[in-house]
Amino acid sequence: KAGVTQTPRYLIKTRGQQVTLSCSPISGHRSVSWYQQTPGQGLQFLFEYFSETQRNKGNFPGRFSGRQFSNSRSEMNVSTLELGDSALYLCASSFTGRPEESQYFGPGTRLLVL
Amino acid sequence: AQSVTQPDIHITVSEGASLELRCNYSYGATPYLFWYVQSPGQGLQLLLKYFSGDTLVQGIKGFEAEFKRSQSSFNLRKPSVHWSDAAEYFCAVGGWNQGGKLIFGQGTELSVKP
Repeated sequence: KAGVTQTPRYLIKTRGQQVTLSCSPISGHRSVSWYQQTPGQGLQFLFEYFSETQRNKGNFPGRFSGRQFSNSRSEMNVSTLELGDSALYLCASSFTGRPEESQYFGPGTRLLVL
Repeated sequence: AQSVTQPDIHITVSEGASLELRCNYSYGATPYLFWYVQSPGQGLQLLLKYFSGDTLVQGIKGFEAEFKRSQSSFNLRKPSVHWSDAAEYFCAVGGWNQGGKLIFGQGTELSVKP
């Protein structure tokens, strides 16, 4: 069974630009969560999608948005990039997002904002 | 508010020695607790989880963790560390009403001396 895949793996953007990151969950998984990982703030929850609906949202500005498609693939978008958005963005998938389920993480997309 | 504290930022142990990584959580209801490991440049891999039942849980790669409600702790242990265990370890907490959202600790970086 293929794992969680994220594309692209690396990305360099400049301030003010926007970026879209993609996450393909494990087959059969319908819940996808996104996290931002930085050396200073650690791992922080961005949002969770289940059946194309945002079910939970972390404490991030509106520049961070996401969506989920009918095949459970998810994208997150960051508009008007700031230097502080440089981070490793991780997505995780599980069957339904119930808290007792195991979540499986992808390798991440490393975003550098110049 | 939910939170997770990993008091040790960095730990160094000798190969073959035992290991204990500390994790304390703050959560108002029954917590769902997880330990993840992250190797450099990689995503997170689930080592073990606890949400009910036996308070001593076994995980992959020879790791175990013990849930102690009275101490709000969920410490990770391994009897004999291998050089390949060098990585960063994250404790996380979820909740019954949180869906797939996890709150992570700041992580403990483990170095293994030959």
